[in-house]
Amino acid sequence: AQTVTQSQPEMSVQEAETVTLSCTYDTSESDYYLFWYKQPPSRQMILVIRQEAYKQQNATENRFSVNFQKAAKSFSLKISDSQLGDAAMYFCALSNFGNEKLTFGTGTRLTIIP
Amino acid sequence: DAGVTQSPTHLIKTRGQQVTLRCSPKSGHDTVSWYQQALGQGPQFIFQYYEEEERQRGNFPDRFSGHQFPNYSSELNVNALLLGDSALYLCASSLDLGLAGIEQYFGPGTRLTVT
Repeated sequence: AQTVTQSQPEMSVQEAETVTLSCTYDTSESDYYLFWYKQPPSRQMILVIRQEAYKQQNATENRFSVNFQKAAKSFSLKISDSQLGDAAMYFCALSNFGNEKLTFGTGTRLTIIP
Repeated sequence: DAGVTQSPTHLIKTRGQQVTLRCSPKSGHDTVSWYQQALGQGPQFIFQYYEEEERQRGNFPDRFSGHQFPNYSSELNVNALLLGDSALYLCASSLDLGLAGIEQYFGPGTRLTVT
């Protein structure tokens, strides 16, 4: 069975600063994808960033980047220059290659302090 | 393109009743997955439909059933509702792009309250 663990229920960061959200996972598969999703109060689950496990290079999307450590099964999200609109629940998720089924962590609530 | 849509937005049901939730996938998507998100938790996979058949199922009882129509839209049915079924129900539609991976989008969810 796959598991995804987010050990930080809540995090806060000053506006314009950098914050890192942690995620560890477990899977017996060799080919898989890792994701970070953002869920604002509107409830819409929005894809922030995706990492293919076979790629050694860490994914980046504008102010969002990941630190993917395959051997350690760790997948953290770094948000640079935090903005008020970044406030939301952030979920780490895992899916096997060729399979849409997502296994989610329990989420981290990110608060941005003006 | 309206993206993934779900209806209704909210609904309130009584224990023992039955409920049907609806999902329209993003244009061009052929696969629909349903998730249950209890308050303060991450979404849990219920099942997935492809070509009008259930392709995968999570650890949910038979009270949870579904259907996919020829236009790829989908319904989630829950019978004999329990208080514990109160949750946000998310629908995700997807399309397998082969080597390019899978394109997947979520709908805004249906908030179900069972009293």
